[in-house]
Parts: sequence; C-alpha cells; structure tokens
Amino acid sequence: DAKTTQPPSMDCAEGRAANLPCNHSTISGNEYVYWYRQIHSQGPQYIIHGLKNNETNEMASLIITEDRKSSTLILPHATLRDTAVYYCIVGYGAGNMLTFGGGTRLMVKP
Amino acid sequence: NAGVTQTPKFQVLKTGQSMTLQCAQDMNHEYMSWYRQDPGMGLRLIHYSVGAGITDQGEVPNGYNVSRSTTEDFPLRLLSAAPSQTSVYFCASSKGKAQYFGPGTRLTVL
Repeated sequence: DAKTTQPPSMDCAEGRAANLPCNHSTISGNEYVYWYRQIHSQGPQYIIHGLKNNETNEMASLIITEDRKSSTLILPHATLRDTAVYYCIVGYGAGNMLTFGGGTRLMVKP
Repeated sequence: NAGVTQTPKFQVLKTGQSMTLQCAQDMNHEYMSWYRQDPGMGLRLIHYSVGAGITDQGEVPNGYNVSRSTTEDFPLRLLSAAPSQTSVYFCASSKGKAQYFGPGTRLTVL
C-alpha cells in the first residue's frame, strides 16, 4: 500500500473550515483515499473515501488532485467536537485492510 | 444494531498468561480485522479475515492467533502475554469501503 504524509498537527477556529492536507505521491491507479478520525481514545471513525472524483457527505468533503498525488479533507464548519486525530490512508477496496500512519492532530479552538 | 462490540474493556495480565479478546459484529460484514495501537502511535494491523474460515496475517502477527468460525465473531488469542503486548486493541468490520471499529480493549501486561 502507498504511504501518506500528513502534518502532525493543525489548529482551526470554531466555525471556520478546517482543511487537512495529505500527500500520497506513490498511490497506484486502483488505490482509494480514505479518511478516518479518532476522538480521544475511542475507536477510529470512518469519514469519507474517494478514488478520482471529489466526494462530499454529511461529515466532510474530499478533494483529490487530478494527478491523485494529494488530497484535502474539508470540514466546512469545524466544532469543538471535531478535535481529533485525522488519518489519511490509501489502500485497495478489496478486503479493506488499511495501514494507519501518524495522522494529523486537529485542535479546534473557541 | 449494536455494531462492533469488544470484551473486556480493560484487562491486566501477568507475563506468560494467555487470554482471548472477544469481538463480535451484528452487521453481517464479511471482513473483520484486529489492530493494536501503542501510545501516541497509529494503528497497526495484527490479523484479518475476509470471511468465515479464512484468516491472514497483518503487519504485526507474532504472538497472536485468530480464528473465524462464524461471520459474527473474530476472537484474538494471546498465546503467552509479554509486556510488549501492552496496548489498546481495536476490532473492526467492513462490507463495503468503510470500516467500523469497536470501542477497544485496553490491555496491560505486567
């Protein structure tokens, strides 16, 4: 599976958009980009995934560059409850076994 | 649906003891997996299963056994506990692209 690079930490003001970047320059053509988050010591929570096109759901938007070498997770209106570690992962869909890296620790501040 | 459940929530073992961490899901998911998370680190895959009767090793399988006799259950066995196995253990299941994680088992080996 391709590896990802994320900034170790980011801050965001409450109510503003949080934009979390991820580099995955070695991604292969069939690998998806997944985003999960882990709030405190809970189990990770699925947020969104994509292959080529931008995706949006009730939690977030995922913007994937045309060359697929990087992506950005957007939380449109961050709240204090969005404070968590966000993991960007690339992997194949079949079996869905994922490799988690260090992630980005997002701190949403009042 | 209860989702993914794990028992026990906490466990303390002495070196050399064996035990089984339980994981169950009621979503009829084919894929199940076990991860461990050491302090300040991302998750690492221990073992996974793509269906009843089929299991395979992940990144860090040594010292652990698994079996998958039913779709619902995927127990993780520690054969002879070592202090290096002190960690938080997460079980996950999936059918499509998203993985659903349990609340975790915090294991301390003295």
